[in-house]
Amino acid sequence: EAGVTQFPSHSVIEKGQTVTLRCDPISGHDNLYWYRRVMGKEIKFLLHFVKESKQDESGMPNNRFLAERTGGTYSTLKVQPAELEDSGVYFCASSQGDDLGYTFGSGTRLTVV
Amino acid sequence: GQNIDQPTEMTATEGAIVQINCTYQTSGFNGLFWYQQHAGEAPTFLSYNVLDGLEEKGRFSSFLSRSKGYSYLLLKELQMKDSASYLCAGIMDSNYQLIWGAGTKLIIKP
Repeated sequence: EAGVTQFPSHSVIEKGQTVTLRCDPISGHDNLYWYRRVMGKEIKFLLHFVKESKQDESGMPNNRFLAERTGGTYSTLKVQPAELEDSGVYFCASSQGDDLGYTFGSGTRLTVV
Repeated sequence: GQNIDQPTEMTATEGAIVQINCTYQTSGFNGLFWYQQHAGEAPTFLSYNVLDGLEEKGRFSSFLSRSKGYSYLLLKELQMKDSASYLCAGIMDSNYQLIWGAGTKLIIKP
C-alpha cells in the first residue's frame, strides 16, 4: 500500500509569493489532516477534512491559508501571499473512518525568504 | 486548555535503557500517542495508550496514567538507529485532533 505522499518535499519562495502544497492520502482514507511545525516549536494542527468537507479548520492561522480537497481525494494547501513566519514543515496525515491509525507524509519544508 | 511537556533533549548510551517522560495538562484527551521522527522524515507511529498501564512492544514500551496526566516511553537495548526525536501527542476525544508536544531529541552515544 502506498503511503501518504506530499509534494514538493522542499520549497523556497520569496515573501509575497504564492505556494501550493499537495498531499495524496492513502487511497480510501476519508480523513485527511494538515499539521505544521515551525522551527523549534511543536507540531500544530491546521485542519481536518472528512472526504471533501472541512470538518475542522480551527487551526488555520489566517486567511492567507486556503485548503481544498476536491473530490475527496488529494488535498492542496495554498499560502498566498507567503510571509516569513510561514516557514516550517507542513505535514499531512490520513486515517480511515474512526481508525486512529494515522499515517503521516514526509512533509513539505517551506522556507520563505 | 491543552499543554504537553517533554524534555528537549536526552543523551543515552548504546545498549542502555532510556525513559522519555511526557506530562500533560488538558481536558478531553482520549489517549496518548508516541511517534518517532528521524530528521527529514515523517513521524512514524510507535504506540497508543488509551487505558492506564504499560503497553510493551518489543524494545519499546509506553506507559500512561490518565489521573496524573503522565506518560513515558521506555526504550531498551538502545541502538544507534534509535537516535531521533520522540514526539508525544494527545488525541482529542471530540474531533480526533492530535495535540503535540515539542518532541525530545534522543542522542545515542557508543
